[in-house]
Amino acid sequence: SYVLTQPPSVSVAPGQTAMISCGGDTIGAYSVHWYQQKAGQAPVVVVFDGSDRPSGIPERFSGSNSGDTATLTISRVEAGDEADYYCQVWDYRSDHVVFGGGTKLTVL
Amino acid sequence: DVQLLESGGGLVQPGRSLRLACAASGYSFSDHAMTWVRQAPGKGLEWVSSISGDGESTYHADSVKGRFTISRDSSNNILFLQMSSLRVEDTAIYYCARMYCGNTACLGREMEKWGLGTLVTVSS
Repeated sequence: SYVLTQPPSVSVAPGQTAMISCGGDTIGAYSVHWYQQKAGQAPVVVVFDGSDRPSGIPERFSGSNSGDTATLTISRVEAGDEADYYCQVWDYRSDHVVFGGGTKLTVL
Repeated sequence: DVQLLESGGGLVQPGRSLRLACAASGYSFSDHAMTWVRQAPGKGLEWVSSISGDGESTYHADSVKGRFTISRDSSNNILFLQMSSLRVEDTAIYYCARMYCGNTACLGREMEKWGLGTLVTVSS
């Protein structure tokens, strides 16, 4: 089965840039989506199709996807960005949704 | 305004059954595929099941295949998850989510709207 690998945690100071990786075999060929989940809340999509942003999501959130790594980049990090972030793809070989293990973003 | 409201969770003994429901409102229900995602306490997101907008195509995670069944009632705009032979490891918050569009190709799209979830606890 297809596996997505994320670092368990990322820490960044306010105003700096956070980069959260999502590794998978030739993930660049997949459509990758990113979700933000704040404590006690349901997830919210922040980036879809690798680099597109839903309406209402700040431009500070961006994504890229190439080769074996997809990346969620959060610029000018704010305290309110502290959350768990998950990458997700649809594995067409198995007809399964796959989530990464999640990354806890801590704003120092 | 699009709303998804899950119900049916609760405490259930191992081996028993439970049916979850997700009431959808504020949009054309059949135009969107739907998905169930669960989250065990303190753990990450785990996909459970997905269904196309017309209900003709269904998909289940290996961990629930043969035990859980996803279905939808387009007359009443309700998504269901029938869970049987429940195990302790099925304990989780269960979220329903709306996919971007309706056909099977849309299962590769994002989960654009989520409900608040319903807690299922499997314990003796």
